Amino acid sequence: GESVGLHLPTLSVQEGDNSIINCAYSNSASDYFIWYKQESGKGPQFIIDIRSNMDKRQGQRVTVLLNKTVKHLSLQIAATQPGDSAVYFCAEKVEGQGGSEKLVFGKGTKLTVNP
Amino acid sequence: EADIYQTPRYLVIGTGKKITLECSQTMGHDKMYWYQQDPGMELHLIHYSYGVNSTEKGDLSSESTVSRIRTEHFPLTLESARPSHTSQYLCASSEWAGPLNEKLFFGSGTQLSVL
Repeated sequence: GESVGLHLPTLSVQEGDNSIINCAYSNSASDYFIWYKQESGKGPQFIIDIRSNMDKRQGQRVTVLLNKTVKHLSLQIAATQPGDSAVYFCAEKVEGQGGSEKLVFGKGTKLTVNP
Repeated sequence: EADIYQTPRYLVIGTGKKITLECSQTMGHDKMYWYQQDPGMELHLIHYSYGVNSTEKGDLSSESTVSRIRTEHFPLTLESARPSHTSQYLCASSEWAGPLNEKLFFGSGTQLSVL
């Protein structure tokens, strides 16, 4: 079946350090992945996405790495700041019933940045 | 910034009541979604729509219904609320830009408590 999960439910880092948040997926046919950030009391916010024909994509202070061999996705945040404290979700695009497509979200990792 | 709005922000009601959660977006997006999320947990898709007069059920069994009479409006209705419906409900929309490019914009959510 399809599932998207994260290795660690919580991650605590010092301000200024780099953060790495991991995600494992099970559907080898998935071709599109997204990372979302959810701050307390808010809806998820898009961070960065990556297609399966890529293994790395960089944004502003964030990098997503995709390893299709082991079905692993990671989000790297450089120079982590207190404002990065949030729950991070990876999402995988899968084919649903009748050929429809949908996003399947993982369980989330709560990132805490200590000053 | 995304222009997607949900009301009410918080709702406390008694068992058996009929409720409608409102969701509106001003971006002209064709696709809209409803997700259910328990605190700190992953998002579960309960309903989605490809456009006007299109509604589909998601993965999570839900006793709710949706309608899509106008592009900008996607309300969710519970005919008879129960304590098991207590959760956060998140509405999202996206602009179709190809199968490998689907960025969802989320509202701030409605936190529902059924007593």
